[in-house]
Formats: sequence, structure tokens, C-alpha cells
Amino acid sequence: EVQLLESGGGLVQPGGSLRLSCAASGFTFSSYAMSWVRQAPGKGLEWVSAISGSGGSTYYADSVKGRFTISRDNSKNTLYLQMNSLRAEDTAVYYCAKNLITMVRGVLWSIGIDYWGQGTLVTVSS
Amino acid sequence: DIQLTQSPSFLSASVGDRVTITCRASQGISSYLAWYQQKPGKAPKLLIYAASTLQSGVPSRFSGSGSGTEFTLTISSLQPEDFATYYCQQLNSYPPGFGPGTKVDIK
Repeated sequence: EVQLLESGGGLVQPGGSLRLSCAASGFTFSSYAMSWVRQAPGKGLEWVSAISGSGGSTYYADSVKGRFTISRDNSKNTLYLQMNSLRAEDTAVYYCAKNLITMVRGVLWSIGIDYWGQGTLVTVSS
Repeated sequence: DIQLTQSPSFLSASVGDRVTITCRASQGISSYLAWYQQKPGKAPKLLIYAASTLQSGVPSRFSGSGSGTEFTLTISSLQPEDFATYYCQQLNSYPPGFGPGTKVDIK
């Protein structure tokens, strides 16, 4: 059974930092791209960042580029999101997510998110 | 970046109704579109990927269609557990953004 368990959320002051972790189990972690998706209170879903299975490729939303860093430790089956220079607008539930992938013209391609964690709340406020 | 719009934003329907939600992309995305269902306080759930492929375990009353810039999610006979918010997501290119959502409420 696939399980994704986030941790590290909490209350932080504007300008502060936080590191989210996501412990994965039930699948071959290193074979799958992973993502972070967030949802501000009462708002829709916002894709934040993604990382390839090897960790060699990373992608970011413009809203977090230069402030957030996604990484993974395949030996520990763990995904991370380092969040620096946090702003009030970063307040949200952050979901760790496993990408559904397929081979397209010899390249692994994400075609959806098939498993989600329960989410961890990050609140940026003074 | 590719922008997604959904219509309607809100839909009031009764049990047994046929419901259709539309997702439009600002440029062609082939069939790289997924649909999700989210209930309050819960993580989203994948319903459809590649525009029309039903995710394992999802009831067959859900179906997806479309390609290019226009896509639809259809629920053939709305059930009580289907009242939720539905999101589309494009995966043709980064950033793989989501649509704004369609809330399906009880009439």
C-alpha cells in the first residue's frame, strides 16, 4: 500500500524558513517523480514543485522559484521541500504527491498524480 | 504558461443527474489532462488521466473526453458521494497547473 506521510509544517514568521519532509513507502521510490502541491485556505490547488526519480531534474512554480528547493534522498525514501524567505501568501496545506508516469517517445512523462499525502499546514504569520 | 479555465465554477445538481464539467486550455495540450475530485478536508483523488483513462478503482459513472484545448468530465448518474470539488490539471508542459475548480453541490 502506497503511503506518503508529510511532516515539518507549523507556524513561522514572515522571512523565516521551514523544511517539509515526506516519508514514502509501498512503492519503488527512486523510480517515480514526486511533487509538492499546496492549497491556501479556501482556495484551489496550486502546483509548487516537482523532482525526477533520480533527483537530477527539478521544476518550480514561478511563485516559489529562488525561495524553495525540492530534493530527495532515495536511500531514505524521503522527499523534502526547503522553504526560505516565507511570505504570508505561502500559507497553505502542502501535499506531497507521487506522480503517475508513462513512457512517451522514450522519455518518462508525468500524466497525473495518483497518490497524495494527508497534507501538512504551513502558516506564515507574525 | 498554459492557463486552464473550468466551467461552470459552481453546479447545483440532484442525485441521479448527468453532470458535465468543461476544462479549457489556453493552448493545445494533446491528451495530457487529468481530473481530480476533492472533498472538504481531504487530499484530492485522481479520477481520470490522459484525458479519458479511468484510474483504477474509480466508478465507471465517471468518464473523460477531449483533446487539444477542450475537455469534459462527465458523471453519468450523480451519487451522494460525488458532491465535491473537481479540478483539471494539464501535464503537457511545466508548470503543470490546475484549473480553478468546479464545486458540485446538492440541489
